[in-house]
Amino acid sequence: DAKTTQPPSMDCAEGRAANLPCNHSTISGNEYVYWYRQIHSQGPQYIIHGLKNNETNEMASLIITEDRKSSTLILPHATLRDTAVYYCIAALTTSGTYKYIFGTGTRLKVLA
Amino acid sequence: GAGVSQSPRYKVAKRGQDVALRCDPISGHVSLFWYQQALGQGPEFLTYFQNEAQLDKSGLPSDRFFAERPEGSVSTLKIQRTQQEDSAVYLCASSLGTGPGQPQHFGDGTRLSIL
Repeated sequence: DAKTTQPPSMDCAEGRAANLPCNHSTISGNEYVYWYRQIHSQGPQYIIHGLKNNETNEMASLIITEDRKSSTLILPHATLRDTAVYYCIAALTTSGTYKYIFGTGTRLKVLA
Repeated sequence: GAGVSQSPRYKVAKRGQDVALRCDPISGHVSLFWYQQALGQGPEFLTYFQNEAQLDKSGLPSDRFFAERPEGSVSTLKIQRTQQEDSAVYLCASSLGTGPGQPQHFGDGTRLSIL
């Protein structure tokens, strides 16, 4: 019962912006959208999260559509080290607790 | 500061054996989560602790899986009578607070292989 869908793979040229889309048309109004990435043999690494507004930090920007049905993670200047699987996640809240519902992720390959 | 630490990093066991996986969360983090990640898949939620209280164990696949966090810090995930389908990476995560607006910080996991 994944709440997010992502393209399975994408390529991006080094130095260019990487735009990773995510569809989350069924999330409810109080569910956050999180982005993590995972490099082989490591745990998921937090990138950014948001609820309604667009967010920016030192790693990336998150653009959430006004209807909250989709979002885009933007890596402004992709490097080879950004090659990873990127997960768009719904933070599901039930009865005062919460958990992450991971999708299948997008495998991003940054090309030299 | 130190991140989430999991041990062992790799565990090989024979089918039918019991295993115990340890998680040391970030100091002071109230919430602790366990996830299971099969090869080529995204992590799947197993269980959630708030301090020492296990508030959600809806993701535990069977009664062979048991988790505890007796003093509200270190947690142990125990799997009894292991089966081949238990082979996976087991990830632990912790977060400072109790709400969905607080990011979870993951360890690098324990890779469990059942022969």
